[in-house]
Amino acid sequence: KNQVEQSPQSLIILEGKNCTLQCNYTVSPFSNLRWYKQDTGRGPVSLTIMTFSENTKSNGRYTATLDADTKQSSLHITASQLSDSASYICVVSPITGGFKTIFGAGTRLFVKA
Amino acid sequence: GEEVAQTPKHLVRGEGQKAKLYCAPIKGHSYVFWYQQVLKNEFKFLISFQNENVFDETGMPKERFSAKCLPNSPCSLEIQATKLEDSAVYFCASSHYRTAGTGELFFGEGSRLTVL
Repeated sequence: KNQVEQSPQSLIILEGKNCTLQCNYTVSPFSNLRWYKQDTGRGPVSLTIMTFSENTKSNGRYTATLDADTKQSSLHITASQLSDSASYICVVSPITGGFKTIFGAGTRLFVKA
Repeated sequence: GEEVAQTPKHLVRGEGQKAKLYCAPIKGHSYVFWYQQVLKNEFKFLISFQNENVFDETGMPKERFSAKCLPNSPCSLEIQATKLEDSAVYFCASSHYRTAGTGELFFGEGSRLTVL
């Protein structure tokens, strides 16, 4: 069983709408949780980072939340744009493990005009 | 440089041939990581380096995969006798020593390996 699971696998929304992507993790303890955006044919780029003690972090139209009790994180995108079409990957860094990071499989978001 | 530079962008090999990929980390970054992404799915960790020293190689299929980071040279990932299942995008990422522990990875654009 993967230690970081994301849902949905893919999502189609209309431009201007909001959406929320989910990440459930079992990695524990962890030092931080990041959300990355991966455009097609590109490498992932970090959007947000939260330590285990933080609840929310924003980066423009992206807001990530973290609930350490339920071991869930979400990424909320407001007023979506066509350029938001990408894969969004949840990545957890265990406290032990030599800087190894554990990747979710990602959610593929399609924003349509 | 300011970005992680990976070459080549695309590589096609016949089964059994050798493949070699290169990665130049961001200047000043002392950690280099190699990941394999198959069919746009999860990133599989292969190996990491701290400068020219292997830091963690627990993900490496050691029979056919090898990697190096030598001073004043791009890092390399080499696959001997490629197999069909090696077809993937290989990503290199680098981190500064101050933030490597936070999982802050700066990725290159990847090298797509196709084994026929």
